[in-house]
Amino acid sequence: GAGVSQTPSNKVTEKGKYVELRCDPISGHTALYWYRQSLGQGPEFLIYFQGTGAADDSGLPNDRFFAVRPEGSVSTLKIQRTERGDSAVYLCASSLKAGELEEQFFGPGTRLTVL
Amino acid sequence: GDSVTQMEGPVTLSEEACLTINCTYTATGYPSLFWYVQYPGEGLQLLLKATKADDKGSNKGFEATYRKETTSFHLEKGSVQVSDSAVYFCALRDDYKLSFGAGTTVTVRA
Repeated sequence: GAGVSQTPSNKVTEKGKYVELRCDPISGHTALYWYRQSLGQGPEFLIYFQGTGAADDSGLPNDRFFAVRPEGSVSTLKIQRTERGDSAVYLCASSLKAGELEEQFFGPGTRLTVL
Repeated sequence: GDSVTQMEGPVTLSEEACLTINCTYTATGYPSLFWYVQYPGEGLQLLLKATKADDKGSNKGFEATYRKETTSFHLEKGSVQVSDSAVYFCALRDDYKLSFGAGTTVTVRA
């Protein structure tokens, strides 16, 4: 079966622009997570969805970042007024349901470069 | 908050050498512990996990034991292959949130 997919795989934008990053989770997975991986670092948690609602958005760095999952499947991470410091690989993961024993399956990531 | 510290790299080994990557954690509770691997050009994959103290996770010849007394989860392999070249991440999970170490790049030479 298909794994987690993310589009685009690469995105280059200019400082101040708006970007949207898309995540398609594994079919049937109710939990969805976004992480951000800066160069030379491990992934850092951004936000977690259970179904359509954001159950925990404590990792979003500021109010320029927003994510939605309107139908409980596909999710979009939105970044307004991008800054050079937003350059990173944005990873999406999904799991069958929430819970400590549920494995999170990761997508290949979107590499965002802000010039 | 919860955090993970892992051995800095890069690490370069010859084929059939032994590999150890140190990982220690700080947590208020009793998290599950994981090793993830990222092969060149691929996404993060779960390598192994342990959910409670003294558990040993193993996969593809790799092993790690959850040591509560030393708050450690060191990754070991007795004989590495060129195909083990990758970036390895130690992580802990408290409920649904994963916290990762910075990663260790391992290169195995033939």
